[in-house]
Amino acid sequence: GAVVSQHPSWVICKSGTSVKIECRSLDFQATTMFWYRQFPKQSLMLMATSNEGSKATYEQGVEKDKFLINHASLTLSTLTVTSAHPEDSSFYICSARRGLGGEAKTQYFGPGTRLLVL
Amino acid sequence: DAKTTQPPSMDCAEGRAANLPCNHSTISGNEYVYWYRQIHSQGPQYIIHGLKNNETNEMASLIITEDRKSSTLILPHATLRDTAVYYCIVRVVGTASKLTFGTGTRLQVTL
Repeated sequence: GAVVSQHPSWVICKSGTSVKIECRSLDFQATTMFWYRQFPKQSLMLMATSNEGSKATYEQGVEKDKFLINHASLTLSTLTVTSAHPEDSSFYICSARRGLGGEAKTQYFGPGTRLLVL
Repeated sequence: DAKTTQPPSMDCAEGRAANLPCNHSTISGNEYVYWYRQIHSQGPQYIIHGLKNNETNEMASLIITEDRKSSTLILPHATLRDTAVYYCIVRVVGTASKLTFGTGTRLQVTL
């Protein structure tokens, strides 16, 4: 199967600090990775799309200077929440898609990282 | 990408088949139908996808109507562990396409 891991699974931090979340595709190479955010009782909201070796594309309303995304290799993407505030507390989920081209390429999701900012 | 419509919630008795409907009446010819589910406090899990033919795998079956305007996900023998929110998503194939989640159907499997 296609396995995506995230680390850490949960994190508590103080307001004003930065938090880094790692997303790894364990058994496939992911040319594209996605970061989603989910607030309680809501659906997943796409934050950004990143392609290996290039800058991430952010969805409207997502601050690129606050949510730094790095996709330095085909198996690793990181999301850094800079100067976190309580309103950034959420469930952050990454997703990875293998391959390129016109065929249907399935996205696989990580288990999520729960962030609590005090 | 085309919009989908799903009932907000459904119940199913354990051991029975769960049939989850999805309406995607504006689907285009190059859009696939994907199904994912999210068990509480976990990341979404891929279930199945299809273009126009019916599909089956070890988890479920996907029935797509001939006009492709609707589909049904079938869990043949639901168990308590199938309790989750099920998302039906249509997606244009291609490198720029992305999965956009709606509100899904909350399936409750009961004893």
